[in-house]
Amino acid sequence: DIQMTQSPSTLSASVGDRVTVTCRTSESIGRRLAWYQQKPGSAPNLLIFQASNLETGVPSRFSGSGFGTEFTLTVSSLQADDFATYFCQQYNSEPYTFGQGTRLEIK
Amino acid sequence: QVQLQESGPGVVRPSETLSLSCTVSGVSISDNAYYWSWLRQSAGKGLEWIGRIYPSGSTSYNPSLKSRLTLSIDRSKNQFSLSLTSVTAADTAVYYCARDVAVAGFDFWGQGSLVTVSS
Repeated sequence: DIQMTQSPSTLSASVGDRVTVTCRTSESIGRRLAWYQQKPGSAPNLLIFQASNLETGVPSRFSGSGFGTEFTLTVSSLQADDFATYFCQQYNSEPYTFGQGTRLEIK
Repeated sequence: QVQLQESGPGVVRPSETLSLSCTVSGVSISDNAYYWSWLRQSAGKGLEWIGRIYPSGSTSYNPSLKSRLTLSIDRSKNQFSLSLTSVTAADTAVYYCARDVAVAGFDFWGQGSLVTVSS
């Protein structure tokens, strides 16, 4: 299975900050990576697919980049609604696997 | 609007079979543009992909669960289902069904169904 390593596990930030979450994979996956946002009690919500493509309806302050084994999710200017947990997921090979999550909390 | 809704018992006894269904609305489950997956989330193991069923009825399973898992599809009800046998406490989780876009991850999810394995 492809191992997914996200960092940091927890990130403390303030409204208006620019933040970046990193996801590393144990083998190259090209651009076959998605990012999700999850709030307590809700299902994950797709933000980005193919490493950098914004899902319909997702605010443009979210962006993704990367290729191969290293990927990043950036929020350019945090809003109150963005404090949540973020997961990366590879869909290059089965079984599909997820990162352990990055909890973004208010500083 | 695409919606998915899980249904099934909230408690399953150890060694018994966990059965869940997912009813899909807003899109035909027979649309060859999409696949249909099950995932689960627990505190101990995080998010885990369980398996997928194609509109044709063929399946792809996570090897870690393959020996206990069966996915099926009911096109007349626009529904797909999961059956997991010989459950243990390790199978306690929130189970999600999701629409699987092969080149774009999971774009629509059900709200989740908490299943607890307990006697």
